[in-house]
Amino acid sequence: GAGVSQSPSNKVTEKGKDVELRCDPISGHTALYWYRQSLGQGLEFLIYFQGNSAPDKSGLPSDRFSAERTGGSVSTLTIQRTQQEDSAVYLCASRPTGFGLGYTFGSGTRLTVV
Amino acid sequence: GENVEQHPSTLSVQEGDSAVIKCTYSDSASNYFPWYKQELGKRPQLIIDIRSNVGEKKDQRIAVTLNKTAKHFSLHITETQPEDSAVYFCAALSPGGGNKLTFGTGTQLKVEL
Repeated sequence: GAGVSQSPSNKVTEKGKDVELRCDPISGHTALYWYRQSLGQGLEFLIYFQGNSAPDKSGLPSDRFSAERTGGSVSTLTIQRTQQEDSAVYLCASRPTGFGLGYTFGSGTRLTVV
Repeated sequence: GENVEQHPSTLSVQEGDSAVIKCTYSDSASNYFPWYKQELGKRPQLIIDIRSNVGEKKDQRIAVTLNKTAKHFSLHITETQPEDSAVYFCAALSPGGGNKLTFGTGTQLKVEL
């Protein structure tokens, strides 16, 4: 597609419920990243996929968070048993192969846990 | 891992003045330094970047400088306009960091009329 597409754009969920956030990267981009941005804060790395390599999960804050990327394209970030502190904007970004090429971010999913 | 510090956290300038945002990084092996602009409620967008083999890069009213010895890089915006008001993030790419960007905490720039 023309850009990185994320859905839903907004999600309100009750504490304790599971949520799935979707990211559709730019076609041909081999690298895909998930970041979290809390209100007025910076960008916190969550997870990174590169081609068929094992994902870098070093930023996932707890075992309630998981992500997968099917067929090297679409990615889903799952948060189980959501907590209020999970409320944030979840940003996905993709990048083509090659040195010195910046990320293109999606518009994000604003998650609110009530 | 890489650590990026960004200053100031807020910056207010008069329209037409220059604005400078500074970042430092910890990993001397970091080799790529992009800057992102994020307007309220919108996605971060890449505005300029610099690689470690270059000391300065300019694109119209914005420029970035890199001092590898001191491990710091700066964003310079000249002739600021109200539409420059946004949050600006610096970032660094560390080869040992798994090809992921480490971001600074952001600078809220306000350009006043």
